[in-house]
Amino acid sequence: GIQVEQSPPDLILQEGANSTLRCNFSDSVNNLQWFHQNPWGQLINLFYIPSGTKQNGRLSATTVATERYSLLYISSSQTTDSGVYFCAVLTQGGSEKLVFGKGTKLTVNP
Amino acid sequence: DAGITQSPRHKVTETGTPVTLRCHQTENHRYMYWYRQDPGHGLRLIHYSYGVKDTDKGEVSDGYSVSRSKTEDFLLTLESATSSQTSVYFCAIRGTAFAEAFFGQGTRLTVV
Repeated sequence: GIQVEQSPPDLILQEGANSTLRCNFSDSVNNLQWFHQNPWGQLINLFYIPSGTKQNGRLSATTVATERYSLLYISSSQTTDSGVYFCAVLTQGGSEKLVFGKGTKLTVNP
Repeated sequence: DAGITQSPRHKVTETGTPVTLRCHQTENHRYMYWYRQDPGHGLRLIHYSYGVKDTDKGEVSDGYSVSRSKTEDFLLTLESATSSQTSVYFCAIRGTAFAEAFFGQGTRLTVV
């Protein structure tokens, strides 16, 4: 099956720093999403981005489907950005499985 | 917020007992998914459904069964719970092909 790899697995920042999280996938996909899991365990939708670039405030994401990767940029990080960031891909070929990477755990210190 | 409700939110059960978790949606979405989340593993797919009575296995389906007799409900059953099934379980829904997925609040299950 498709492999989804996220890097780095852990990231520690000081408040105000910028960061880039990466998601690589091993096969063509129909859909790619980024989620933030907050410290209370809730999964929050950040971006639905099968290709191209999107921005939402301090966060932006870029997916290059032909090269099988996506990047999530966090600028001017805040302590509330802490948590785990997941990317998930929807496989092609009719199986309709939504497959997750193992996530990047982000800690933003004040 | 997407209309997804998971129940119960927390459950403690004994080894060997049957357990059923419920995912209820009010969005009339076609696709529904069950995941488990464990430290170091991220979210792993257990089973999913692409319509009423249409289900398929995910990567960690052993020990679990599912049923979907109507669009709005997707049930996950542990026939005989084991300690290895202690986990947080998430339900997700998705509308049409290529659509965005939304998650429920999760169910924390402890098997003692």
